[in-house]
Amino acid sequence: NAGVTQTPKFQVLKTGQSMTLQCAQDMNHEYMSWYRQDPGMGLRLIHYSVGAGITDQGEVPNGYNVSRSTTEDFPLRLLSAAPSQTSVYFCASSFRDPGGYGYTFGSGTRLTVV
Amino acid sequence: GNSVTQMEGPVTLSEEAFLTINCTYTATGYPSLFWYVQYPGEGLQLLLKATKADDKGSNKGFEATYRKETTSFHLEKGSVQVSDSAVYFCALSDQGGYQKVTFGTGTKLQVIP
Repeated sequence: NAGVTQTPKFQVLKTGQSMTLQCAQDMNHEYMSWYRQDPGMGLRLIHYSVGAGITDQGEVPNGYNVSRSTTEDFPLRLLSAAPSQTSVYFCASSFRDPGGYGYTFGSGTRLTVV
Repeated sequence: GNSVTQMEGPVTLSEEAFLTINCTYTATGYPSLFWYVQYPGEGLQLLLKATKADDKGSNKGFEATYRKETTSFHLEKGSVQVSDSAVYFCALSDQGGYQKVTFGTGTKLQVIP
């Protein structure tokens, strides 16, 4: 049982480059989310999805896009990378609702923008 | 809006010491409360949860009680081990709808032999 798989684990981008962080889960979870983790700030929600074809913004969505074409996959796109997007990114999924069931997290992607 | 406040770290304890990590929250309604643990280089793992007032969540020797009167959910363990060294996050979720989860800033625990 793989759980939540994130790729890549590490990435260095130059300012202005674009890239996609991949997230896949094999638990048939409805809910999927992207968070970023920064020192002293905990985790902040970027975007989330309550099912295939449905996405919505979290508290820090600017500079990021998402799509959810299948239940399993929830990629996060950085449109034009900026140094402020240097962070650790976590994908998380939940069976029905994260308030009742809690999240399963991936192991993270450490992104550095230079 | 909702918020979670955790004690500043790092917390350094000797093996077999008693652990308390404080967590208080601000929320409307009746949120669910959680503790997550993050080991070095890994993602967060759900440690325990409580969904209503006076509920006690427990797992792996850790406990936390949902105290609505003091809006608190303090994490405790009677005897810590070196393997408990990690960052601990308190979190809450809204009731209803998507149930957005709000995380605290995390408390790093170091247990020394």
